[in-house]
Amino acid sequence: KNEVEQSPQNLTAQEGEFITINCSYSVGISALHWLQQHPGGGIVSLFMLSSGKKKHGRLIATINIQEKHSSLHITASHPRDSAVYICAGGADGLTFGKGTHLIIQP
Amino acid sequence: DTAVSQTPKYLVTQMGNDKSIKCEQNLGHDTMYWYKQDSKKFLKIMFSYNNKELIINETVPNRFSPKSPDKAHLNLHINSLELGDSAVYFCASSQVGPLGIYGYTFGSGTRLTVV
Repeated sequence: KNEVEQSPQNLTAQEGEFITINCSYSVGISALHWLQQHPGGGIVSLFMLSSGKKKHGRLIATINIQEKHSSLHITASHPRDSAVYICAGGADGLTFGKGTHLIIQP
Repeated sequence: DTAVSQTPKYLVTQMGNDKSIKCEQNLGHDTMYWYKQDSKKFLKIMFSYNNKELIINETVPNRFSPKSPDKAHLNLHINSLELGDSAVYFCASSQVGPLGIYGYTFGSGTRLTVV
């Protein structure tokens, strides 16, 4: 069993929909990361959070340390949000979830 | 300026060859990493270097050897390449601060294909 579990594995939605991706972890972490990877592309760090909530544009990330759970939300989704979103955590080197493949259809 | 740069971007080589991938960061970070992304897109840590000292070495074959001449560079040398080594290798860096690790930044990846 992976120490970082994400759901759903695949998600297809219509443009404009509110998107939620969930992450549960069992590893001891100092911070939880949300990463984005476009097809054939590099990895971009979206958020790093150790408590509470962070917002950047249409992206919101929350974390509940007691429940070892984090969520990534996308408001007013757009086709350019289509990518793989990866949750990762750890004290130093990261342990990754298997990613959520998101497709936003126009 | 690219924060974490890897070279080459693509590498195609034959089984049994020895190859190196280079990584450089200009962020002043004190920790650098190598990650491997397999054909199923699953990422896994290989090595971590903090101020030129190895601090993580997961179950990676000893054909893989990281080399860090200084804290801005972490190269990955691979001996006797095997078909199963085909993957995308990502370099990353981060900084340890009073509130933990921050500034995690990834390179653009090196796609290694062993034929």
